[in-house]
Amino acid sequence: KAGVTQTPRYLIKTRGQQVTLSCSPISGHRSVSWYQQTPGQGLQFLFEYFSETQRNKGNFPGRFSGRQFSNSRSEMNVSTLELGDSALYLCASKSEPYSNQPQHFGDGTRLSIL
Amino acid sequence: AQKVTQAQTEISVVEKEDVTLDCVYETRDTTYYLFWYKQPPSGELVFLIRRNSFDEQNEISGRYSWNFQKSTSSFNFTITASQVVDSAVYFCALSETNSGYALNFGKGTSLLVTP
Repeated sequence: KAGVTQTPRYLIKTRGQQVTLSCSPISGHRSVSWYQQTPGQGLQFLFEYFSETQRNKGNFPGRFSGRQFSNSRSEMNVSTLELGDSALYLCASKSEPYSNQPQHFGDGTRLSIL
Repeated sequence: AQKVTQAQTEISVVEKEDVTLDCVYETRDTTYYLFWYKQPPSGELVFLIRRNSFDEQNEISGRYSWNFQKSTSSFNFTITASQVVDSAVYFCALSETNSGYALNFGKGTSLLVTP
């Protein structure tokens, strides 16, 4: 079974630009979550999507948004990029939301803001 | 406030030594789950174990073992006879019903095992 696939693996952007990251969950998994990992703040929950609807949201500004498609693939978008948005963005999937099934993570997208 | 505390930032051991990674959590939920994940240099978080709040039985999986104690709000992870391949960052995480089951991670413990 293929794991969680994130593209691209690396991105370099400049301040003020916007970026879109993509995540394909494990086949059969319908819940997709996004996490941001930085050296200072560690791993922080961004949001979770299920059935094309945002089901849960962390404490991030509105510049961070996401969406999910009917095939469960998800994208996250960050607008008006700031230097502090430089991070590893991890996507995770599990079969159902509102459950404590283990989340399975992708390799992440490393975003660098110049 | 940090809900999951991993007090050890970095640990360095020599191969074949035993090592314990500490995790202390804080929650008001009566039903919650605890997880350990391993993050090798490649970046992917690898699931190791899940334990629910009603199951205080310790668990052993090969060289890995976990000690869950509700009385001290701790969920410690021991690697027996460590190997170089165990070198990674290990994260403890808490999942609560009132946070929609999102994972709340500790800061991680970086383990270096040298030959």
